[in-house]
Amino acid sequence: AQSVTQLDSHVSVSEGTPVLLRCNYSSSYSPSLFWYVQHPNKGLQLLLKYTSAATLVKGINGFEAEFKKSETSFHLTKPSAHMSDAAEYFCVVRRGSNYQLIWGAGTKLIIKP
Amino acid sequence: EAGVVQSPRYKIIEKKQPVAFWCNPISGHNTLYWYLQNLGQGPELLIRYENEEAVDDSQLPKDRFSAERLKGVDSTLKIQPAELGDSAVYLCASTSGTANTGELFFGEGSRLTVL
Repeated sequence: AQSVTQLDSHVSVSEGTPVLLRCNYSSSYSPSLFWYVQHPNKGLQLLLKYTSAATLVKGINGFEAEFKKSETSFHLTKPSAHMSDAAEYFCVVRRGSNYQLIWGAGTKLIIKP
Repeated sequence: EAGVVQSPRYKIIEKKQPVAFWCNPISGHNTLYWYLQNLGQGPELLIRYENEEAVDDSQLPKDRFSAERLKGVDSTLKIQPAELGDSAVYLCASTSGTANTGELFFGEGSRLTVL
């Protein structure tokens, strides 16, 4: 069965420093993986997706994620954090047989000035 | 292009009262989802529609929850009677195509507080 584990419930970084949000998945076959972002009182927005093409995926707002099959990971990174990046981030895996989406519990990203 | 519109944004009711949420998806999106999101957790699927057909309602608590999507466009989600544990944010999302591609467009949600 597929599942998603976001390893940190909260991540705090200083503005201008790198961001790393960790996500591990379990899947019996090659999954499709996504990162969504949710700003306070706003709707969820797709950041980026991996669907078996390039393992390094670039998304919006300077974020990118690398699919590592050997580590069953899909960590989200950004070289330099901005105050506007403060939000909750969700890692999502798509279950292939009936296309259900399995959501992680979320990681709250806090940006310190 | 207008996004997914949900109303009301906030609703406070007493337990045992009914409540309804409305969703207008992006024009042309035939797939519509209702999710429930508790504080500090990821969204949980309640029901998925392909046009007017509910193709996945396995997680919908059918004793008190109901949903409809007349004419395959707008949708309503109803709870009757509401319980304290129903306090959450109810999210609507839509996408084009018939498969669950994972690229969903979400509304801002309807926050329910049951007293």
